[in-house]
Amino acid sequence: DTAVSQTPKYLVTQMGNDKSIKCEQNLGHDTMYWYKQDSKKFLKIMFSYNNKELIINETVPNRFSPKSPDKAHLNLHINSLELGDSAVYFCASSQKTEAFFGQGTRLTVV
Amino acid sequence: AQSVSQHNHHVILSEAASLELGCNYSYGGTVNLFWYVQYPGQHLQLLLKYFSGDPLVKGIKGFEAEFIKSKFSFNLRKPSVQWSDTAEYFCAVNLYSSASKIIFGSGTRLSIRP
Repeated sequence: DTAVSQTPKYLVTQMGNDKSIKCEQNLGHDTMYWYKQDSKKFLKIMFSYNNKELIINETVPNRFSPKSPDKAHLNLHINSLELGDSAVYFCASSQKTEAFFGQGTRLTVV
Repeated sequence: AQSVSQHNHHVILSEAASLELGCNYSYGGTVNLFWYVQYPGQHLQLLLKYFSGDPLVKGIKGFEAEFIKSKFSFNLRKPSVQWSDTAEYFCAVNLYSSASKIIFGSGTRLSIRP
């Protein structure tokens, strides 16, 4: 039973489109994150939510809008996709300790 | 600003060699420290973690790390590496004053020659 699951695993789309990535955790954690991993493997935190409340927004363009309908879900919607948005996006959750990661969504913008 | 530095970008070793990967952080408060591993094409998995107590922590697959508070360091070690250790290794810090923020170093790519 997957602890942190995100869908889709792969996403190929054209510039200018709008897309969403979904994330769900069944660990009962209060905190969820979105990270972006670029082609050089650098992991940058984008957002952090605690009990559905936005805690961290790391100067991410407002084309990226996270939504947390409940503490088990944190979705990421991206408007007007750009080439530079191509990356692997990881969802994670934690409960004041280490983070548990999803399998990642490889987004390719063409 | 809080940051995590991994000075080794790419390390190449032969099987059975000893490994040490450096990690330094800049934050004056209490921290929780982690090492994660990312095998090719996979997600991040926790190798080990430090919260308090014995500064020498042991993790999975024979890895260990030592927290040296005076040096703000948390270096990862393994006495004898295997080809299967080929992966990307990330040091991470959870800033204790804000349990909702885990920041990562830039990663070290480890390549093991069979």
